[in-house]
Amino acid sequence: DARVTQTPRHKVTEMGQEVTMRCQPILGHNTVFWYRQTMMQGLELLAYFRNRAPLDDSGMPKDRFSAEMPDATLATLKIQPSEPRDSAVYFCASGLEGQGAGLFFGSGTQLSVL
Amino acid sequence: AQSVTQLGSHVSVSEGALVLLRCNYSSSVPPYLFWYVQYPNQGLQLLLKYTSAATLVKGINGFEAEFKKSETSFHLTKPSAHMSDAAEYFCAVRAHYGGSQGNLIFGKGTKLSVKP
Repeated sequence: DARVTQTPRHKVTEMGQEVTMRCQPILGHNTVFWYRQTMMQGLELLAYFRNRAPLDDSGMPKDRFSAEMPDATLATLKIQPSEPRDSAVYFCASGLEGQGAGLFFGSGTQLSVL
Repeated sequence: AQSVTQLGSHVSVSEGALVLLRCNYSSSVPPYLFWYVQYPNQGLQLLLKYTSAATLVKGINGFEAEFKKSETSFHLTKPSAHMSDAAEYFCAVRAHYGGSQGNLIFGKGTKLSVKP
C-alpha cells in the first residue's frame, strides 16, 4: 500500500536548535508539497516542488526555513534556528502533476519548540 | 485567485442523521475541488474530488458532494452519520498559476461530532 512517509512523527526541541524533517513521497509522484497546520492559521503551504525543482516557497520564512529535494525519494524541510512560534504539525504531500489529481498526505511531524 | 470558505467550524449530528458540510469556492477559472478528512493525529485523506466530469461526485465511506456552479458551492453530504465519521473535514480548491496547476488551497475545516 503506497504511502507518504514522514519522519520523525514527533520532535521536541529547544529554541535555537536546528530541526530537520524528512519525507519520502510515493514512488512515481512528481510533485511534493510541505504544509504547516496550526489551530490559528489552519493549513498553510510552505513549499512546492515539481520534478524536484522548487516552484513556490513564498509561504516559507526564508531567513530560517529551507526546503530541498536531494533526490526523487527524499524531501527535507529544515528550520534553523527554531523558534517557539514554529510549533505546529508539518505535513508532506505528494501527487502526480495534473489538474484533477489529488494529493496524498503523510502522517505529519508534530514539532514543539520550547 | 482561488479560495474556499467552509461555513461552520463545528457541526454536530446524531448517529443516523444526515450530514451536511458546506463549502463555497471562489475561482476565476473552472475549479478542481476536493474534500479531505482528517482523523485525530493523522494526515489528510482524500474523500472525493470534482474534476469537471459529473457534477455529483461519490467518494469513500458513503460521502458524496455536488458541484453547483450557479451557487459556487461544493457541499459534502452523507445520508446517515456513523460514529466513525467524527473527524475534521477540509474543502480545497486547486490553485492555478499562469495556466499551470499548483497547490491545494484549503478551507479552515469543519469538525464533525456524532452523538450516539
